[in-house]
Amino acid sequence: EPEVTQTPSHQVTQMGQEVILRCVPISNHLYFYWYRQILGQKVEFLVSFYNNEISEKSEIFDDQFSVERPDGSNFTLKIRSTKLEDSAMYFCASNRDRGYQPQHFGDGTRLSIL
Amino acid sequence: QQPVQSPQAVILREGEDAVINCSSSKALYSVHWYRQKHGEAPVFLMILLKGGEQKGHEKISASFNEKKQQSSLYLTASQLSYSGTYFCGTYASGNTPLVFGKGTRLSVIA
Repeated sequence: EPEVTQTPSHQVTQMGQEVILRCVPISNHLYFYWYRQILGQKVEFLVSFYNNEISEKSEIFDDQFSVERPDGSNFTLKIRSTKLEDSAMYFCASNRDRGYQPQHFGDGTRLSIL
Repeated sequence: QQPVQSPQAVILREGEDAVINCSSSKALYSVHWYRQKHGEAPVFLMILLKGGEQKGHEKISASFNEKKQQSSLYLTASQLSYSGTYFCGTYASGNTPLVFGKGTRLSVIA
């Protein structure tokens, strides 16, 4: 069964550095998402992406964050000038149809900011 | 707007039943249920779209009330493998993102 893949599984970065988290969504999916989960807390929506542009974003997704689909298969989340509070698990998800189809989640990238 | 889940946590013995609720102050477009085990990604369980809908099988099922403001997840004859955190995710409309509740931590003990 096709799945969403994320790399790396764990990223350790110094505060102030930039990180890029990578995701390969399921190939025939049209909608792509990034979520964040701070340890022990709920899954928080960051951004959704459709037709090569951002369709929605939360207030968490400020100028520090950006997303890109550089080559038709990868979907990336860039975090500039990382802060300690950016430490979290970041999940990528995708689906074919927003409201009617389940979102398939990748295994996540654990981001640790030192 | 974040849906409200209850209870926050529940402990069951194997074979016992549980109900997890997810509610909103306004009618919802759809409700999605996920289960997340510690250190893993959320795994999809089911979607409910229509008021009055019931879905699932005899062990794990869900309902969506007529007003589309509350959904309940029913876990019957629980097994150890049911342990995890259950999240409901809701769409307020077709043009808003999926918003998750804070989750219900379910622990099944032998």
